[in-house]
Amino acid sequence: KAGVTQTPRYLIKTRGQQVTLSCSPISGHRSVSWYQQTPGQGLQFLFEYFSETQRNKGNFPGRFSGRQFSNSRSEMNVSTLELGDSALYLCASSLRGWSPGAAGYGYTFGSGTRLTVV
Amino acid sequence: SQQGEEDPQALSIQEGENATMNCSYKTSINNLQWYRQNSGRGLVHLILIRSNEREKHSGRLRVTLDTSKKSSSLLITASRAADTASYFCATDAQGGSEKLVFGKGTKLTVNP
Repeated sequence: KAGVTQTPRYLIKTRGQQVTLSCSPISGHRSVSWYQQTPGQGLQFLFEYFSETQRNKGNFPGRFSGRQFSNSRSEMNVSTLELGDSALYLCASSLRGWSPGAAGYGYTFGSGTRLTVV
Repeated sequence: SQQGEEDPQALSIQEGENATMNCSYKTSINNLQWYRQNSGRGLVHLILIRSNEREKHSGRLRVTLDTSKKSSSLLITASRAADTASYFCATDAQGGSEKLVFGKGTKLTVNP
């Protein structure tokens, strides 16, 4: 089956611009999470969506936002880009739901979007 | 701050040798997961061990979990050049936070 698809793979933007990244989860996965990876801070959680609802948000400024559509596809948006936003943005999907049994499910990650802000 | 901390930060071995990576974490967890990342690419899920499990195997991978010490180890046996990658542990904390907290990773180099 198809994996997690992230588009675009690479992106170059100028400071002050905004950007939208897209993630299509594995069919049947309703949980979609976003992570930012930088050499300095490592992998950091941005937010998680389930059934179009944001369930958790990481410690990032309000410039970072996201949403999930009824087909579970998700987008994240970064407004007023800063140089420090340059990173690999990873999306992950999971079968995790609301039940306690979800503790046994891992995540499938996409290949990421490499964002460079100049 | 990062919940999981891997040790060592870098490891270089010869093909055929075993590689052991360790991870420590701070709070109670539902499970602990190990991921591999090839240079600049996405993460690949390797293995998940639940908090009530002590050891788990998957092919050449062996993971142990000691919740009393809040630590885990990943053993890769008979390593291959293709195992060269960064390895991350990630904890799934109790309380339904629905997020993974990653360590900084161990960069493994397997020399042919």
